[in-house]
Amino acid sequence: DTAVSQTPKYLVTQMGNDKSIKCEQNLGHDTMYWYKQDSKKFLKIMFSYNNKELIINETVPNRFSPKSPDKAHLNLHINSLELGDSAVYFCASSQDRAQQFFGPGTRLTVL
Amino acid sequence: AQSVTQPDIHITVSEGASLELRCNYSYGATPYLFWYVQSPGQGLQLLLKYFSGDTLVQGIKGFEAEFKRSQSSFNLRKPSVHWSDAAEYFCAVVDFGNEKLTFGTGTRLTIIP
Repeated sequence: DTAVSQTPKYLVTQMGNDKSIKCEQNLGHDTMYWYKQDSKKFLKIMFSYNNKELIINETVPNRFSPKSPDKAHLNLHINSLELGDSAVYFCASSQDRAQQFFGPGTRLTVL
Repeated sequence: AQSVTQPDIHITVSEGASLELRCNYSYGATPYLFWYVQSPGQGLQLLLKYFSGDTLVQGIKGFEAEFKRSQSSFNLRKPSVHWSDAAEYFCAVVDFGNEKLTFGTGTRLTIIP
């Protein structure tokens, strides 16, 4: 039973395309997050949602738009993809500050 | 704003030897601290966490960490490493207000036979 799942695991696309990454958690948590891990392994938060409400919005280009249809899902839409968007994107969820549970990651490659 | 420093980018240890990974944090109040491990091609798994109380915390896979307020440190230790411990290790601190988790830059651990 996967706690936090992401699809797809790999995503290869051309510059300028629009793509989405989906995330689902079955833990009943209220808060979900998106993180970006760059080629140097640096992890940085992008967004967080609490019960479908945007809580954290770091300095992320507005080509990135999170969407939370319900508290179990947080999807990431990326418009007009650029080479610099290539990274691994992690979804996570938590109920409180105790622990964030991470998904397996989506490796995005922009050609 | 909180921050985390992991001074060692890469550490190589012989199998069976002891390990210590360093982590220093900056946070205005009592921090909530975490160590996560990322195996190649995998997501992040929580090794252990510190919130309050006993400053020596035990985690999974035989890891432990010690919180030292005076040194703003939360170093990770293991008495005897196994080849399967080869991975990237991340220290992190959470902000109470918005639950924002800030990671250090990570330490890559290589195990040699």
